[in-house]
This record gives sequence, structure tokens and C-alpha cells, in this order.
Amino acid sequence: NAGVTQTPKFQVLKTGQSMTLQCAQDMNHNSMYWYRQDPGMGLRLIYYSASEGTTDKGEVPNGYNVSRLNKREFSLRLESAAPSQTSVYFCASKLPQLSSPYEQYFGPGTRLTVT
Amino acid sequence: AQSVTQPDIHITVSEGASLELRCNYSYGATPYLFWYVQSPGQGLQLLLKYFSGDTLVQGIKGFEAEFKRSQSSFNLRKPSVHWSDAAEYFCAVEGKTSYDKVIFGPGTSLSVIP
Repeated sequence: NAGVTQTPKFQVLKTGQSMTLQCAQDMNHNSMYWYRQDPGMGLRLIYYSASEGTTDKGEVPNGYNVSRLNKREFSLRLESAAPSQTSVYFCASKLPQLSSPYEQYFGPGTRLTVT
Repeated sequence: AQSVTQPDIHITVSEGASLELRCNYSYGATPYLFWYVQSPGQGLQLLLKYFSGDTLVQGIKGFEAEFKRSQSSFNLRKPSVHWSDAAEYFCAVEGKTSYDKVIFGPGTSLSVIP
């Protein structure tokens, strides 16, 4: 099992350019997440998808769009990149909450710089 | 509003000393609670979680955490720190009716002096 994979690992964009961050998991998890990590801010939830076909906004959704392509894949799109979106982006997945919680599994991250 | 606070941005301890990392949450009802650890350049790994029952939970690597409902806290402890424990530690919450939404605190960076 590869777990949670993210591509690319590094990316440099110019202001105004667009790009899509890809995430895939092979653990048959229902729930998937996109976070950004900035110094002193911890991980902030951008969007999440509790199941295939559904997506919901997190704490910081502005400037981003997501697509839950199928159960395995959850992509994050920046339509017009801004320097404020320079960050490390993490994708995560987990089984759905039942009578007890399940842990999240994280990808290795994508380091994005917007100049 | 739902939130998680970790009052200590950075903590330095000597190897062999005890450790306590603080976590407080603001939530409508007692959520599920987690502690994750992130080593430099890595993703996050679960240390332990609490969902009900005994308020003292044991995790991996010798860590434990205590849930205190009256203080809305879930503090992480370790009796004797090892140099390899130097990392970033994150507290997280998941509401029992929030349809799998997970929110993280800002993190505490731990340095260990040999």
C-alpha cells in the first residue's frame, strides 16, 4: 500500500498562474482533506470531503476549489495563485466516523511557492 | 466557534526530564480528541486519541494524555523525554456530529537538550 500520495512535491508559481494539486489514497477511505501549514498557524483546514460526491468548506477555503473525482482521488485547485498561498499543503484521509473516531493518514506534503 | 489552542508555541526540555504539552478546545460538546506528532520534513503521525471512558489514555512512544472535561483540556505528557522526541506536536478535535470535520491547533515545537 502506498497510503496517501501527493503530487507534485515542490512547485513554484508566478502570481496569477493556476495549478492543481493531486492527492490519492489506496486505503479505501471515505473521508479526505486538504490542509495548509504555515509557521505559527498549525494546520488549517481548506476543504474536506466526507464521501465521494460531497465536499465542504473548512476554515480557509477562499482562493481554492476542490474536486472529489472518485473515492480514491481528491484534488485542490488554485485558479489564480497569490503570494499569500505560499505554504505547505497536506492531503489526508480516514475512515468515516462511527461510534468512535478514526485517525487521519497524511501524505508527504506539497511545498508551494508563489512569487 | 470551534477552536483548538495550544498556549505554548515552543518548549525546550533537557533529555530525561518530564514533559507536558497543553491543549484546550472550544466546542459545543465534548469532541473526539487527538494528538499528532510531525518530525521535520514529514507528514503527521497519530500519538493517541480519546473518545470516551477512561480520561487517561496511553499512546505510542511512551506518551499519555489526560482529558479534563471541566477545563476543556487534553494535555499530553511524557515522564522522560528522549532526544528523538524533538518535533512539532499538534492537538486536534473532531466533533461527534460534525460529519468528519477535523480541526488542528497551532502546534507546539519541542526542542530537547542532550
